[in-house]
Amino acid sequence: AQSVAQPEDQVNVAEGNPLTVKCTYSVSGNPYLFWYVQYPNRGLQFLLKYITGDNLVKGSYGFEAEFNKSQTSFHLKKPSALVSDSALYFCAVRDGGSQGNLIFGKGTKLSVKP
Amino acid sequence: EAEVAQSPRYKITEKSQAVAFWCDPISGHATLYWYRQILGQGPELLVQFQDESVVDDSQLPKDRFSAERLKGVDSTLKIQPAELGDSAMYLCASSFPGYYNEQFFGPGTRLTVL
Repeated sequence: AQSVAQPEDQVNVAEGNPLTVKCTYSVSGNPYLFWYVQYPNRGLQFLLKYITGDNLVKGSYGFEAEFNKSQTSFHLKKPSALVSDSALYFCAVRDGGSQGNLIFGKGTKLSVKP
Repeated sequence: EAEVAQSPRYKITEKSQAVAFWCDPISGHATLYWYRQILGQGPELLVQFQDESVVDDSQLPKDRFSAERLKGVDSTLKIQPAELGDSAMYLCASSFPGYYNEQFFGPGTRLTVL
């Protein structure tokens, strides 16, 4: 069965520093991976996805993610964090079935301090 | 920018009562999803529609939950009777058909069952 793991419940970063939010996956077949962000009392917003091609995927709001097949990882990164990036981040993988439903990790809370 | 609409945003009810949530997807999105997100966890799929047809309701507790999308546009999710354990955020999402397409989420309905 497909699954993703987000090993950190919380990541703390100072504004202006680079940030990384970690995600590892377990799939049978090709991985199709997504990152979403959730602000308090809001729905999820799509950031980026990996389907195939370049291992470095660029997304919204200056975020990017690096796909690493050998380490089965898809870490979310940003070169310079903003206080407004503080939110809950979810990694997700397609479930491999014909409908391609998303299976989400438990989320990582990112806190960016001024 | 087009958005997924949901109402109500907040609902407080007593156990054994009936509740209903409404979702209006982005125009042109044939695929519609209902998710349940328990505090501190990632969203979990309850039901997926393709136009007016249910394509996956394997995780929907059918003894108390029902969902419909009669004209293939907006959708209603109902719980009857509500139980204490149903307290959660209920998220609606929509997408264009296709295995690789990202889903767009509404703001959610926060349900509290007393």
